[in-house]
Amino acid sequence: QVQLQESGPGLVKPSQTLSLTCTVSGGSISSGSYYWSWIRQPAGKGLEWIGRIYTSGSTNYNPSLKSRVTISVDTSKNQFSLKLSSVTAADTAVYYCARDVVVAVAGPRRAFDIWGQGTMVTVSS
Amino acid sequence: QSALTQPASVSGSPGQSITISCTGTSSDVGGYNYVSWYQQHPGKAPKLMIYEVSNRPSGVSNRFSGSKSGNTASLTISGLQAEDEADYYCSSYTSSSTLNVVFGGGTKLTVL
Repeated sequence: QVQLQESGPGLVKPSQTLSLTCTVSGGSISSGSYYWSWIRQPAGKGLEWIGRIYTSGSTNYNPSLKSRVTISVDTSKNQFSLKLSSVTAADTAVYYCARDVVVAVAGPRRAFDIWGQGTMVTVSS
Repeated sequence: QSALTQPASVSGSPGQSITISCTGTSSDVGGYNYVSWYQQHPGKAPKLMIYEVSNRPSGVSNRFSGSKSGNTASLTISGLQAEDEADYYCSSYTSSSTLNVVFGGGTKLTVL
């Protein structure tokens, strides 16, 4: 079955760029009809959708973060990535990658059915 | 885009039923049948409990059910069990300049 695993630095300095990768195992990132998303959660707070990339490579971003976010996909490595520039302490959070099923004959659709375990990123000098 | 509105907390005794509301607008909850609900235990990733307003993924207990009326979606948990104590989040697609996703602020369920 498909599993997701986030990886990347746990500490980023203010004004620098946060870079995370999500590795997809148990299935091909380019097969099927899926959005691959990034979602974050500051400590003690709720979930915030950051953005997503479609199987075709098209992207959508949260308007509040759009100017700082880039999501890309590397099908050869079965990975997709997040870059968030000009980070501040407000970007400190657990970052999750998740799969959003666009089309399915049966089972979940238009929902995040598979999540990574999450990775904590702290922005601090 | 504004978060969907959920109560901060709800509580119930074992065996009882509770309902968590999720209020949005005609641009999100009211405009799409793409409302989903997630359960999150402390230190864990969220788990999908309901998709497309009222559908349960395989393996999710039928004690969990979802519905929608106008701009408000609801998650009902019947026969409360201690293991149901968790945070619950709703989510909806939303029609902005591009089709995006918005979450509710989350509801802490306490089983008394």
